[in-house]
Amino acid sequence: DIQMTQSPSSLSASIGDRLTITCQASQDISNSLIWYQQKPGTAPKVLIYDASNLETGVPSRFSGSGSGAEFTFTISSLQPEDIATYYCQQYDILPLTFGGGTKVEIK
Amino acid sequence: EVHLVQSGAEVKKPGESLKISCKGSGYNYNNYWVAWVRQLPGKGLEWMGVIYPDDSDTRYSPSFQGQVTMSADKSIRTAYLEWTSLKASDTAMYYCARPAGGGYYHGMDVWGQGTTVTVSS
Repeated sequence: DIQMTQSPSSLSASIGDRLTITCQASQDISNSLIWYQQKPGTAPKVLIYDASNLETGVPSRFSGSGSGAEFTFTISSLQPEDIATYYCQQYDILPLTFGGGTKVEIK
Repeated sequence: EVHLVQSGAEVKKPGESLKISCKGSGYNYNNYWVAWVRQLPGKGLEWMGVIYPDDSDTRYSPSFQGQVTMSADKSIRTAYLEWTSLKASDTAMYYCARPAGGGYYHGMDVWGQGTTVTVSS
C-alpha cells in the first residue's frame, strides 16, 4: 500500500495567517492527489483535485501544489470558517489511501 | 443535483449482522463506481473499497477483504455494505462516496451524509 504521511497532525494559527500542510507519498503518484476538508459531524468536501486544481466553488485562498511524491496544501489567509481537519488522499494505486489528517485550530 | 443518501444510524450487538445502504440520485448511476470509507471514532479516513453498480464488479482494500461485503441493486440506484458478524471494533462512521469520472482512480467528489454504526453488548 502507498503510505501518505501528512504533517503537521495539528496546528494552531491566527485569523489571516498563511498556513501550509504537506503530504508525502511513499512512492511516485504523479499528480493523483486530492485534498479534502472535513468539519466536525460532516462528510469530507473536495477542495483541490489532481494536486493543484481548485474545485468549483471553493475559495481561491485554498491552493495545492506538487507532483511525484511531495505535495503541499496552502491556505493563504486563514478564515474562521476554515477550522476543520484536512486530509490528502492518493488515487494512483489501489488501495486508495489517505493521509492521517491535519487538524486546524484558531490560536 | 447529485446526492448520495445513506440509511440511518444503527446500534447492534456483537455477532449480529447488518446491511447499510447508499442511494444515488441526480446522475447517471450506472456510469459511476461507489466507494465506501470508514472513519473510526476520532480518527482518520480509510478507503474500504468500491463497487460498480452496473455489473457489481468490486475492488476491496486488503484491510477489509473478507470483513465486509459490498453489493448493489442498480434498479433502485442503491449500494450496500454488509457485515455477517459485527465486532465492537466495527463501531465507526461509514460514508459512501462517488469517485469522480468514470473509474475508481479518482478522488471522491460526492459524499453521503454517513451512517453511524455502534456495536456494543
